[in-house]
Amino acid sequence: GEDVEQSLFLSVREGDSSVINCTYTDSSSTYLYWYKQEPGAGLQLLTYIFSNMDMKQDQRLTVLLNKKDKHLSLRIADTQTGDSAIYFCAETSGSSASKIIFGSGTRLSIRP
Amino acid sequence: DGGITQSPKYLFRKEGQNVTLSCEQNLNHDAMYWYRQDPGQGLRLIYYSQIVNDFQKGDIAEGYSVSREKKESFPLTVTSAQKNPTAFYLCASSPGLAYSTDTQYFGPGTRLTVL
Repeated sequence: GEDVEQSLFLSVREGDSSVINCTYTDSSSTYLYWYKQEPGAGLQLLTYIFSNMDMKQDQRLTVLLNKKDKHLSLRIADTQTGDSAIYFCAETSGSSASKIIFGSGTRLSIRP
Repeated sequence: DGGITQSPKYLFRKEGQNVTLSCEQNLNHDAMYWYRQDPGQGLRLIYYSQIVNDFQKGDIAEGYSVSREKKESFPLTVTSAQKNPTAFYLCASSPGLAYSTDTQYFGPGTRLTVL
């Protein structure tokens, strides 16, 4: 079935790079997404990558896609305290064009 | 100001009562969605609608109902049949399947607590 997996927690030092990893099962996904959720808030779209791309960079964010291994990563350069949040990986569903499959989220905490 | 609004932000319900959560968007999006989020879990799809006057069940539709009478509005009713309704509810919208990038955008959420 369709599944997206992420590790639950990541702790990094302020100023270091954060790398959040995600694996997915549906090889027919068209788009893969990263969303950010701050406490008590909705999900904010950070970036997305089309499945025929390997990499996408947007300011401090770099997305890497390894389609062979079905592995997606989000790198945040120069991590700041404002980056503390839950990060969700998501993929479009191959069985239903309307659906997005979400991972359980990775909670990123920043230590001084 | 374009976006998705949800109201109320916090909602308390007694057992046995139905409650309706509001979701409005002024993005001119065709598609709208309702998700449920429980602590430490990802989002689970309750219902979605690709066009006015049409909607489909998601993965956990039991105990919920929706309507889509207007393009900009997609209210969710949590009925007394929903066994464990306490959760964070998120509404989203997307341009629609006719668009190459049917990316979903989310509202701020409603936290429902059953007393």
